[in-house]
Amino acid sequence: SQQGEEDPQALSIQEGENATMNCSYKTSINNLQWYRQNSGRGLVHLILIRSNEREKHSGRLRVTLDTSKKSSSLLITASRAADTASYFCATRTSGTYKYIFGTGTRLKVLA
Amino acid sequence: EAGVTQFPSHSVIEKGQTVTLRCDPISGHDNLYWYRRVMGKEIKFLLHFVKESKQDESGMPNNRFLAERTGGTYSTLKVQPAELEDSGVYFCASSQVETSAYEQYFGPGTRLTVT
Repeated sequence: SQQGEEDPQALSIQEGENATMNCSYKTSINNLQWYRQNSGRGLVHLILIRSNEREKHSGRLRVTLDTSKKSSSLLITASRAADTASYFCATRTSGTYKYIFGTGTRLKVLA
Repeated sequence: EAGVTQFPSHSVIEKGQTVTLRCDPISGHDNLYWYRRVMGKEIKFLLHFVKESKQDESGMPNNRFLAERTGGTYSTLKVQPAELEDSGVYFCASSQVETSAYEQYFGPGTRLTVT
């Protein structure tokens, strides 16, 4: 199976609620990144967390990393309609330059 | 500063035809990557250029795909002949340096539809 599997595959919430997406991976990683893709647009980098970090914040985003469980979560607080997009985690292992992406979580925030 | 650009944004071709996708990385970025997302599946790495040299092409699916980066600036990805399963979104990314933790900047992608 693939590295970087996200769950849930789809998530629908009301504006103002929090959204949590999870990502699991299988091999040891150097870092993990979260990306967002709005419909018809490119991938936008959200946040990078290194393997020796456990939590990072960026505005309304909070990312956690648990290397013992090989998992990461992305929390979006006080969601807005503009947060509607697909969210992907991507992992990179030491010695390689390629990122391995999951299938993504489709988030829909209802106004 | 301009970001990564890709052309065309959408291409519709018939099975057996040839299509060439183009990627212009951010100016000064030596590293250029191609990825694709097929049939709603995960985004998969295709290959990595460092300047004009192919550093890693382990993700290229078969010999119908040819990537070039003459002069170390823009890159092209040619699919010849195209098959139905090649339909998907092809992303290009670039990065400036090779460090232990760095960000790849992605373009908007080219949506390829093979009918």
